[in-house]
Amino acid sequence: DTAVSQTPKYLVTQMGNDKSIKCEQNLGHDTMYWYKQDSKKFLKIMFSYNNKELIINETVPNRFSPKSPDKAHLNLHINSLELGDSAVYFCASSLRLKKTGELFFGEGSRLTVL
Amino acid sequence: AQTVTQSQPEMSVQEAETVTLSCTYDTSESDYYLFWYKQPPSRQMILVIRQEAYKQQNATENRFSVNFQKAAKSFSLKISDSQLGDAAMYFCAYNVGTSGSRLTFGEGTQLTVNP
Repeated sequence: DTAVSQTPKYLVTQMGNDKSIKCEQNLGHDTMYWYKQDSKKFLKIMFSYNNKELIINETVPNRFSPKSPDKAHLNLHINSLELGDSAVYFCASSLRLKKTGELFFGEGSRLTVL
Repeated sequence: AQTVTQSQPEMSVQEAETVTLSCTYDTSESDYYLFWYKQPPSRQMILVIRQEAYKQQNATENRFSVNFQKAAKSFSLKISDSQLGDAAMYFCAYNVGTSGSRLTFGEGTQLTVNP
């Protein structure tokens, strides 16, 4: 069973379109994240939710809107896609009370904007 | 702000040999956690090893071990008896250990294992 699953794994779309990436975890974790990995492989946090509440919101354009319907799901919607949005987007989860804070990652969703 | 630096963009090692990947970090916190993650070509981020800052003993996981030097803010990863499957991008990461687990990553080191 996949612990953190993301869909779709690959996404190719045109500039200006709107797209969504879905994430689900079955680890019983209460905190979920979106990270962006750019073309140079640099990983940077975008958002974090704890029990459906937004707790980390980095400097990300308003075109990016996360939504957490419950603590096991965190979706990412992107409006008006731009070329610079091309990246791999990773969903991750953790247990807030576990102080070590290690993250469990999904397989990533590669977004290509043409 | 916490930063994590990996000064070696690329490293290579012969199969069965030992290689050490470097990582330094900057923090004013006394209680924190350090990690090494591996990202093979499959893209999956895999936790390799974890170190709690309050523990003086270096963490070990099979062929993987760390050299944690708290005063120097250094956290290197040693891979012994390197295998072809160890070829991957390796990321050092830091977490202050408070709620939210804001994991900060280094730039990564691409490890090649030569047969």
